[in-house]
Amino acid sequence: GESVGLHLPTLSVQEGDNSIINCAYSNSASDYFIWYKQESGKGPQFIIDIRSNMDKRQGQRVTVLLNKTVKHLSLQIAATQPGDSAVYFCAGPSSGTYKYIFGTGTRLKVLA
Amino acid sequence: DTEVTQTPKHLVMGMTNKKSLKCEQHMGHRAMYWYKQKAKKPPELMFVYSYEKLSINESVPSRFSPECPNSSLLNLHLHALQPEDSALYLCASSYGEKLFFGSGTQLSVL
Repeated sequence: GESVGLHLPTLSVQEGDNSIINCAYSNSASDYFIWYKQESGKGPQFIIDIRSNMDKRQGQRVTVLLNKTVKHLSLQIAATQPGDSAVYFCAGPSSGTYKYIFGTGTRLKVLA
Repeated sequence: DTEVTQTPKHLVMGMTNKKSLKCEQHMGHRAMYWYKQKAKKPPELMFVYSYEKLSINESVPSRFSPECPNSSLLNLHLHALQPEDSALYLCASSYGEKLFFGSGTQLSVL
């Protein structure tokens, strides 16, 4: 079946450094992806999205890269801050349905 | 405004209780969702309503009963839950493919 997975369960970065969180997907027909940030006890917060007709999309301090050849996407956070500490999920809708497939999540820890 | 509002934020209930979770959005989104999330796991889809009609039920036990009274409201009625049903229950709505979540209801079943 379709899957969206993350490479690492936990990522620790020094405050001020850049963070890179990775995600792999299995369905080559997937054409839309979302990155979410989830802080403890809260719902997932929409960060940024990207369509398959794009390779890169930038937001405020965040960049998402999509490599369709190897079915991989990444979330880059520039100048990581303590407030960025959270679990990050990639997700995408299963083709033609309302079913969103979520990755397993990466916990980002920002070290002071 | 991308706000999905859920109430209550916390709920403790016994296995014989009946309670309801409520969700509201005023963004004009026509698809609304219930997800269940256990600690350290991604959200798991339970139900989807599209244009106020139930379109997806992910084989959820009948002790969970969803209701969509109108395009802005979504309820989840709970009855005779089990301790393993304790989790964070998330409501979401979507516009096109963009899916937005509420803050969730942390449910504890004793």
